[in-house]
Amino acid sequence: QVQLQESGPGLVKPSETLSLTCTVSDGSIRSYYWSWVRQPPGKGLEWIGYIFDTGSTSYNPSLKSRVTISVDTSKNQFSLKLTSVTAADTAVYYCARDRQWLVEGALTYYYYYAMDVWGQGTTVTVSS
Amino acid sequence: DIQMTQSPSSLSASVGDRVAITCRASQSIGSYLNWYQQKPGKAPKLLIYATSSLQSGVPSRFSGSGSGTDFTLTINNLQPEDFATYYCQQSYSTPPERTFGQGTKVEIK
Repeated sequence: QVQLQESGPGLVKPSETLSLTCTVSDGSIRSYYWSWVRQPPGKGLEWIGYIFDTGSTSYNPSLKSRVTISVDTSKNQFSLKLTSVTAADTAVYYCARDRQWLVEGALTYYYYYAMDVWGQGTTVTVSS
Repeated sequence: DIQMTQSPSSLSASVGDRVAITCRASQSIGSYLNWYQQKPGKAPKLLIYATSSLQSGVPSRFSGSGSGTDFTLTINNLQPEDFATYYCQQSYSTPPERTFGQGTKVEIK
């Protein structure tokens, strides 16, 4: 069963860049989408963005100007960079596999996506 | 951007109850709707994808329905381990983004 593990600094200073890495083990990073999701203390889930193994990305419009997600298939890792952080970026950050399913519909087949494997999450605090 | 709105924000129920949580999208998303369960201090867990397809290993008391803009997660015969927060999430392909609802906390009455 594929496993995901987030790693990176737990404390980042305001205005600096948050950098996290997700390592994929017991499975390949190829042929899947990989997402980052965050959860501020006591709040709900916020999708940050995803990347495909080819490097194709999609980002949350509200974070797009500050986010970069990259992939290193040779290391079976993908990474998140969030620039110009503030206290509002304090959160638990999760990485997740965004899996594709092919589901039969009334007339044809459709591709559906959902996050079926998650890392345990890593807490990042933005503070001086 | 597609917005997802869940209701209620919280509810109290007893073991054995039937519980329904609704999720409304700001525009039609077909059947591109997933449901997750999250317990305190844990990562979310996928329950249902594509509106009504049960993820492997998820008990059959969980079910999903709906299409377009209105969706429902139903939990039959609520069990003690079902007390958690539930999130809907859209994965509609255009635009290729993901959005979560704000969550529904299911508490013990």
